[in-house]
Amino acid sequence: DGGITQSPKYLFRKEGQNVTLSCEQNLNHDAMYWYRQDPGQGLRLIYYSQIVNDFQKGDIAEGYSVSREKKESFPLTVTSAQKNPTAFYLCASRKGGGGVDTQYFGPGTRLTVL
Amino acid sequence: DAKTTQPNSMESNEEEPVHLPCNHSTISGTDYIHWYRQLPSQGPEYVIHGLTSNVNNRMASLAIAEDRKSSTLILHRATLRDAAVYYCILRRNSGNTPLVFGKGTRLSVIA
Repeated sequence: DGGITQSPKYLFRKEGQNVTLSCEQNLNHDAMYWYRQDPGQGLRLIYYSQIVNDFQKGDIAEGYSVSREKKESFPLTVTSAQKNPTAFYLCASRKGGGGVDTQYFGPGTRLTVL
Repeated sequence: DAKTTQPNSMESNEEEPVHLPCNHSTISGTDYIHWYRQLPSQGPEYVIHGLTSNVNNRMASLAIAEDRKSSTLILHRATLRDAAVYYCILRRNSGNTPLVFGKGTRLSVIA
């Protein structure tokens, strides 16, 4: 089945540790995105990538880093510089440009920093 | 992207129709109207989209005002599984710009 995989579903880390969240898609989509969601809030954009080896900061990129070495993969690293990393993280992808294109989301990773 | 305005929450009885409104008074001529929904503890999923004409699919209907400054997502027969947050989003017809999410409307369905 085609889709977006995020692992793990739940992740616990100690404060001060970097942690990398995985996002893989087999939809052959060019663009990939990372969002963060806090309880009761909408999604906020962290980073996005429109092609391999290129990415742009979103609204809340501070304390996060990404890479896009392969079309299928867009890992997100939450660094120790992120002041409040506990949140629900969602990865998404989209095939091409245009207003008719839909964005597909993964199941999310819930990160808790202790 | 132009902004949308939705009620924070709505309630519906099971098996009754639900009309979820969205205002987008600053919509431009090339903006598509998209609706996504997010079930509890899941990623958002696409529901429907339209440009000018009303649209129907297996999940819902989208009614777009003639001046395009508002739209309504219609669930014809709400079920408990439709309880979710519904997001109305405008998408420009160019590029791969990300979806911009507001807070959406939290729909509760009462059995």
